[in-house]
Amino acid sequence: GDSVTQMEGPVTLSEEAFLTINCTYTATGYPSLFWYVQYPGEGLQLLLKATKADDKGSNKGFEATYRKETTSFHLEKGSVQVSDSAVYFCALSVVGYSTLTFGKGTMLLVSP
Amino acid sequence: AAGVIQSPRHLIKEKRETATLKCYPIPRHDTVYWYQQGPGQDPQFLISFYEKMQSDKGSIPDRFSAQQFSDYHSELNMSSLELGDSALYFCASSEFGANVLTFGAGSRLTVL
Repeated sequence: GDSVTQMEGPVTLSEEAFLTINCTYTATGYPSLFWYVQYPGEGLQLLLKATKADDKGSNKGFEATYRKETTSFHLEKGSVQVSDSAVYFCALSVVGYSTLTFGKGTMLLVSP
Repeated sequence: AAGVIQSPRHLIKEKRETATLKCYPIPRHDTVYWYQQGPGQDPQFLISFYEKMQSDKGSIPDRFSAQQFSDYHSELNMSSLELGDSALYFCASSEFGANVLTFGAGSRLTVL
């Protein structure tokens, strides 16, 4: 079946540090890939997405590139802020199905 | 912009009681999804509806049922509640076939 594997957290960084959160996937079809963010006490918000190989999704300084050869969709940000502290979920949906399969989530903690 | 509205935001029930959660999708979104997120867990897909018909089914317990109404809002009914049902329940909506889901803020159910 389809699955998403993320690096375990928490990831603890100082403000302005570089962020990478690893995500790999297994899918039977041709998936679209997503990163969702969940701030404390809130719902899931779409951060970025990519729908085909070599696509790069970007938003709010975050980027992720759809790598079909390594089945990966790693999330990066060049300089994190305290306000980026949240749980980040990598997810996929297979073409023809909108249902999302999520990874376990990675908590990011950014200190001043 | 209108978002996905869920009610109630918080709900406390006793074991073996019944609970109903409601979800109002974004206008013109015809597809609704329900997810369950246990403490510290990733969201698990329960069930989805398109045009009042069940479109996909995930790990929804037999004690739970859901439906979508003619105005596209959806209700998740949970009976014989168990302690393990304590979780955050998310509703999401999309246009049919679209691969971007918009999530509500969630309904937190606590079973005592």
